[in-house]
Amino acid sequence: QKEVEQNSGPLSVPEGAIASLNCTYSDRGSQSFFWYRQYSGKSPELIMFIYSNGDKEDGRFTAQLNKASQYVSLLIRDSQPSDSATYLCAVTNYGGSQGNLIFGKGTKLSVKP
Amino acid sequence: KAGVTQTPRYLIKTRGQQVTLSCSPISGHRSVSWYQQTPGQGLQFLFEYFSETQRNKGNFPGRFSGRQFSNSRSEMNVSTLELGDSALYLCASSLGGQAYEQYFGPGTRLTVT
Repeated sequence: QKEVEQNSGPLSVPEGAIASLNCTYSDRGSQSFFWYRQYSGKSPELIMFIYSNGDKEDGRFTAQLNKASQYVSLLIRDSQPSDSATYLCAVTNYGGSQGNLIFGKGTKLSVKP
Repeated sequence: KAGVTQTPRYLIKTRGQQVTLSCSPISGHRSVSWYQQTPGQGLQFLFEYFSETQRNKGNFPGRFSGRQFSNSRSEMNVSTLELGDSALYLCASSLGGQAYEQYFGPGTRLTVT
């Protein structure tokens, strides 16, 4: 059973701080990794994807991947109250183009003003 | 560019009935995946269609089926509805090929009474 694990939270950080969200996965064949943000009552929104070991930065967001440790994380710098949402980690192990994302159950982030 | 659209947005059905949900992908996207989201199980993969062919299927009973049309629009059907089918049904589209990033529609909220 391929699994993606996330701490359900809630993770509470003060405004302006760095929020660190973590995800582990069980399938060593996983090749592509995604972070989605989901506001309450809304659908998931893709915010980051990473395919290679190391860091990938996009604005205030940095995704970090360590395939040896089967670990992927998302850092949010200068956290804002608008970042308060559930963050979903997803992985896929298809080298081709088959769309089968396996999702964690999400970490709820709360940014306090 | 318009995003993924799903219709209807909300549905209330009675146990034993069937339902058809529709999804129109982002223009140019050829892959459509369907997911079920519930509070207890999170986001779970139902199936994926690419060029009118089901390419991948999740672990759901045969009551759940789908299809894709030549214009990449997709439908999913659930027959003999059960109370446990109450969920948010999300479709996501991607280019296919070597692009794995999936973009979600707003979802259809199905309530079975």
